[in-house]
Amino acid sequence: QKEVEQDPGPLSVPEGAIVSLNCTYSNSAFQYFMWYRQYSRKGPELLMYTYSSGNKEDGRFTAQVDKSSKYISLFIRDSQPSDSATYLCAMSESGNQFYFGTGTSLTVIP
Amino acid sequence: EAGVAQSPRYKIIEKRQSVAFWCNPISGHATLYWYQQILGQGPKLLIQFQNNGVVDDSQLPKDRFSAERLKGVDSTLKIQPAKLEDSAVYLCASRPSMNTEAFFGQGTRLTVV
Repeated sequence: QKEVEQDPGPLSVPEGAIVSLNCTYSNSAFQYFMWYRQYSRKGPELLMYTYSSGNKEDGRFTAQVDKSSKYISLFIRDSQPSDSATYLCAMSESGNQFYFGTGTSLTVIP
Repeated sequence: EAGVAQSPRYKIIEKRQSVAFWCNPISGHATLYWYQQILGQGPKLLIQFQNNGVVDDSQLPKDRFSAERLKGVDSTLKIQPAKLEDSAVYLCASRPSMNTEAFFGQGTRLTVV
């Protein structure tokens, strides 16, 4: 079983839609949770960085962590064509080594 | 602030040849990572340095891969000899300390033919 599971998609939504991206994990010791955005032929770019459970909001992006269910989510409100990218979740026990999901490919259609 | 710099951006080699990648992390970042990202997969850690010391290289195929970080700044990753399955994007990332965000370079796309 992989440490981190992520639906690869692809996911296609119309502009303005709310997007929900999710990851599940098996290691209950994970405490640090991240979401990265990766455009084609680019390196991953950090979107959200959260510690432990709860919600964190940054503009149109909201990250949620439910440690009891071992489930994390990233919500994108008012999605834009520029949000089209692959979204990677990543997790860590100690904030040291990170385990990545496989990424979800998102396309926002104008 | 300058980002993580990697070179070359692209490299095509034949199997059994050798190749080297270079990474210049963000100034002052003590921790440096090399990741391998195969098409359609998430990045997989190859090696982690703290300054010029290796913290974790448990997933580095040491029979063909080697990495060094002299003087705790720049780092090189070498593959010798390359195999077809080494075709991937090799990402370098750095962070100033534990529990801080990691910044990635644009990666080196390696194709082994």
